[in-house]
Amino acid sequence: NAGVTQTPKFQVLKTGQSMTLQCAQDMNHEYMSWYRQDPGMGLRLIHYSVGAGITDQGEVPNGYNVSRSTTEDFPLRLLSAAPSQTSVYFCASSYRQGQGEKLFFGSGTQLSVL
Amino acid sequence: DAKTTQPPSMDCAEGRAANLPCNHSTISGNEYVYWYRQIHSQGPQYIIHGLKNNETNEMASLIITEDRKSSTLILPHATLRDTAVYYCIVRVYGANSKLTFGKGITLSVRP
Repeated sequence: NAGVTQTPKFQVLKTGQSMTLQCAQDMNHEYMSWYRQDPGMGLRLIHYSVGAGITDQGEVPNGYNVSRSTTEDFPLRLLSAAPSQTSVYFCASSYRQGQGEKLFFGSGTQLSVL
Repeated sequence: DAKTTQPPSMDCAEGRAANLPCNHSTISGNEYVYWYRQIHSQGPQYIIHGLKNNETNEMASLIITEDRKSSTLILPHATLRDTAVYYCIVRVYGANSKLTFGKGITLSVRP
């Protein structure tokens, strides 16, 4: 049982480059979300999805795009990376809205933007 | 969602109980208390949640005061592997599953 899988684990980008952080879950969870974690800031919600085809913004959505074409996958896209996006990114999933309290998190992607 | 207040850090001896406090004085009647923890560099891990009754599972116990303005997470026999940041979160059950993580409390378990 793989749970929530994030790739890559580490990534270095130059300012202005684009990339996609991948997130996949094999638990048939309806709810998925992306967080970023910066030193001393806790975790902040970027975007979330309550099911395939449905996404919504979290606390810090600017500079990020998401889509949810399948239940399993929830990629996070950085269209034009900026140094302010240097952070650790976590993807999470849970069973379904209304029972979504038990979030399962991936192991994270450490992103550096130079 | 109600805001929570946790001390920044605490420590305890290995094998002893670790009692982690959380203040949520503005909690609403339909808001649950959740606890997660994050071991260094890993993704957060769900521990337990509850509404007003005390809860216990294989990881911990959650004690919520009668007025629900505060709660305590109890790790009955702390081990070195319990050293982590512990987050206390309150939110409405059945909402859009958006969890707001604060800075949490850093628990250091000493040998």
